[in-house]
Amino acid sequence: GNSVTQMEGPVTLSEEAFLTINCTYTATGYPSLFWYVQYPGEGLQLLLKATKADDKGSNKGFEATYRKETTSFHLEKGSVQVSDSAVYFCALSDGAGAQKLVFGQGTRLTINP
Amino acid sequence: EADIYQTPRYLVIGTGKKITLECSQTMGHDKMYWYQQDPGMELHLIHYSYGVNSTEKGDLSSESTVSRIRTEHFPLTLESARPSHTSQYLCASRPSGTRTYNEQFFGPGTRLTVL
Repeated sequence: GNSVTQMEGPVTLSEEAFLTINCTYTATGYPSLFWYVQYPGEGLQLLLKATKADDKGSNKGFEATYRKETTSFHLEKGSVQVSDSAVYFCALSDGAGAQKLVFGQGTRLTINP
Repeated sequence: EADIYQTPRYLVIGTGKKITLECSQTMGHDKMYWYQQDPGMELHLIHYSYGVNSTEKGDLSSESTVSRIRTEHFPLTLESARPSHTSQYLCASRPSGTRTYNEQFFGPGTRLTVL
């Protein structure tokens, strides 16, 4: 079945550091890929998405490229801020039936000033 | 801007009580979902609905039940709450259609504590 694997957390960085959160997936067909972010005490918000191979999703300085050859969708940001502290979830949607999302286990990111 | 609401945001109750967690969306979405989020952050799909009068069990077995009498409303009920039900419950909805790139929109969640 479909699955998503994220890098183990938690991740702690200093402000203005470079961020990478790894995400790999296993899926049949041609899934869409997503990164969601969850700030403390809130629900999930879509951060970015990509719908086909080599697509790059971007938002708020974050980027991720859909790599079919390596089945990866790593999240990157060049210079993180304290306000980026949150939990990040990688997910895929295979489009079948109810279009369920398959989530990775989440990565907690803490940015220190 | 997504409009999906959950009430209550926080609930502390005693064992054996019956509770209903409310979820409403004003976007006219057909598909709706309930997730349980454990303290380790992982999200588990416990129920979903294709539309009115449709409800399905999710990937994680749950003692809760759901109903979908109106498009905009997807409440979750626990007949007899237990401490093992303590968790964060997230509701989500999705636009109609089969496009995989359509995102799910999430509510703010209900944090349930059963004593």
